[in-house]
Amino acid sequence: NAGVTQTPKFQVLKTGQSMTLQCAQDMNHNSMYWYRQDPGMGLRLIYYSASEGTTDKGEVPNGYNVSRLNKREFSLRLESAAPSQTSVYFCASSEARDNSPLHFGNGTRLTVT
Amino acid sequence: SQKIEQNSEALNIQEGKTATLTCNYTNYSPAYLQWYRQDPGRGPVFLLLIRENEKEKRKERLKVTFDTTLKQSLFHITASQPADSATYLCALDTGRRALTFGSGTRLQVQP
Repeated sequence: NAGVTQTPKFQVLKTGQSMTLQCAQDMNHNSMYWYRQDPGMGLRLIYYSASEGTTDKGEVPNGYNVSRLNKREFSLRLESAAPSQTSVYFCASSEARDNSPLHFGNGTRLTVT
Repeated sequence: SQKIEQNSEALNIQEGKTATLTCNYTNYSPAYLQWYRQDPGRGPVFLLLIRENEKEKRKERLKVTFDTTLKQSLFHITASQPADSATYLCALDTGRRALTFGSGTRLQVQP
């Protein structure tokens, strides 16, 4: 039982390059989330998926796209990376009910030069 | 504007003492509040949830209070240990169907 698995752990991109961050959970959770974490700013929600087949924008969606491939997998795509997207990206999952705790992966550290 | 505030300065305490961390919020009326622990290089880990109709919640050496009038939650670790050193995040239900997090307070417990 691995919980939430994110790949890759580290990535360096040049400005304008694209990449997809992968996330998979094995807890049969309906809801999945992508957050970014920057020093002094806490975790900010990029996108979330309340259930398979649905996605919604969070607080900072610009420059990102997501795909809920199936119940297990939720990917985050940067089409044209910018230095402002240098951050640590966390994927999380939870059960569908409102007060469910989030289960986080260990993050992808992305640097855009 | 809506805000969640946690003390950005690190809290340094001696082993065995009680650590108290604060989470203040404005312009929200959350139905519940959660606390997470985050170690360097790792994702946050859920610790406790407290609902708006609960004044206090305990789990082993952890205690959380929730004052909806003051718009504040306090997180206490009693008999603190060096292994408790980490960053602690509060998170609120802000009606967005996803949690909104504070920026966290780093706790350092000195042996």
